[in-house]
Amino acid sequence: QKEVEQNSGPLSVPEGAIASLNCTYSDRVSQSFFWYRQYSGKSPELIMSIYSNGDKEDGRFTAQLNKASQYVSLLIRDSQPSDSATYLCAVAGGGADGLTFGKGTHLIIQP
Amino acid sequence: NAGVMQNPRHLVRRRGQEARLRCSPVKGHSHVYWYRQLPEEGLKFMVYLQKENIIDESGMPKERFSAEFPKEGPSILRIQQVVRGDSAAYFCASSPRDRVSSPLHFGNGTRLTVT
Repeated sequence: QKEVEQNSGPLSVPEGAIASLNCTYSDRVSQSFFWYRQYSGKSPELIMSIYSNGDKEDGRFTAQLNKASQYVSLLIRDSQPSDSATYLCAVAGGGADGLTFGKGTHLIIQP
Repeated sequence: NAGVMQNPRHLVRRRGQEARLRCSPVKGHSHVYWYRQLPEEGLKFMVYLQKENIIDESGMPKERFSAEFPKEGPSILRIQQVVRGDSAAYFCASSPRDRVSSPLHFGNGTRLTVT
């Protein structure tokens, strides 16, 4: 069974610091990796996608992928209180099913 | 704004009633996915559909749940004889092509409460 693991947190980070969110996955044939942000009571919002090993940067966000270690991470630079949310890691594999989501990491940015 | 549209936003049903959740994908998207989210839990895949076809329903409970995506009209997730354990947020997502290469765009969800 495909699994995506995340530390549920809460992860507390001071405003302006770097928030580091981590995710591991079990299916070696996984090909696509996504980070979603979900505010309480709202729907998941896609913030990053990454498909190949290495780093991908978009504004204050950097996604990092290491397929050999089956590890994907999200860095948020210059953290803002508005970044406080649950961050969901999602993985798509070679099978016929949809994205597999982790349970999410609850991030709190302290002003 | 032609995003994924779900309705109703909130649905209250008594035990034993039927719940019908509707999802209109982004215009031009032919792939629809349904996910369920329990409080403090992640999103659980339920079913993946293309127009008029169920591609993968491995996450769908074997009884009481069904889904369709007709040639015309929205995708429907139907829950018969609801029980309290069905209370959750149900999210629909769509993509223009195969899920492996394209990210999913979610609707605002339907929050089902079974009393």
